[in-house]
Amino acid sequence: GAGVSQSPRYKVAKRGQDVALRCDPISGHVSLFWYQQALGQGPEFLTYFQNEAQLDKSGLPSDRFFAERPEGSVSTLKIQRTQQEDSAVYLCASSLVSGGSAQYFGPGTRLLVL
Amino acid sequence: DQQVKQNSPSLSVQEGRISILNCDYTNSMFDYFLWYKKYPAEGPTFLISISSIKDKNEDGRFTVFLNKSAKHLSLHIVPSQPGDSAVYFCAASFTGGGNKLTFGTGTQLKVEL
Repeated sequence: GAGVSQSPRYKVAKRGQDVALRCDPISGHVSLFWYQQALGQGPEFLTYFQNEAQLDKSGLPSDRFFAERPEGSVSTLKIQRTQQEDSAVYLCASSLVSGGSAQYFGPGTRLLVL
Repeated sequence: DQQVKQNSPSLSVQEGRISILNCDYTNSMFDYFLWYKKYPAEGPTFLISISSIKDKNEDGRFTVFLNKSAKHLSLHIVPSQPGDSAVYFCAASFTGGGNKLTFGTGTQLKVEL
């Protein structure tokens, strides 16, 4: 079946612009995660949904970052008033159940803030 | 603090030989461990996982070993193939931790002909 898809794959934004990144998880997957990956580092957790409920947003770096999953399927990560330090790859992952199961990643969105 | 550590940034192995990638962790609450492979411009691909109730899990050419007392796990690839050349990430999570993964910084594996 289809894997996790993300759009856009690449995004260039001017500092101060708002951006929205989309994630389509694997059909039927209950859990959805967002990670941020800086160059040369491993992915770092941002936020987690179980169905439509956002259960953990402890990794969001500031209140400029906002995520939603209103119908328990597609999710959007929004970054307001982008800053240069927001430049990174944003990865979305989904898993079938909420614990002790593998997460399957999308290809990521590479964000460059100029 | 880095709770999951991969101390070798790179590893070079000859085709057909064994590749051993290592990972150490500091958080004793971690009870589920995973290895991912990542090619450039792609997302991480799940390889293999192990629960803390086991000390070994095998899937084809890939075997993961877990030593809980040493807080150490390793991934063995036998035999190594050129297509295995990629960055390998170790990741960990714990029950009650929301299933979020904590990743190491990765090891670049190069399998040479």
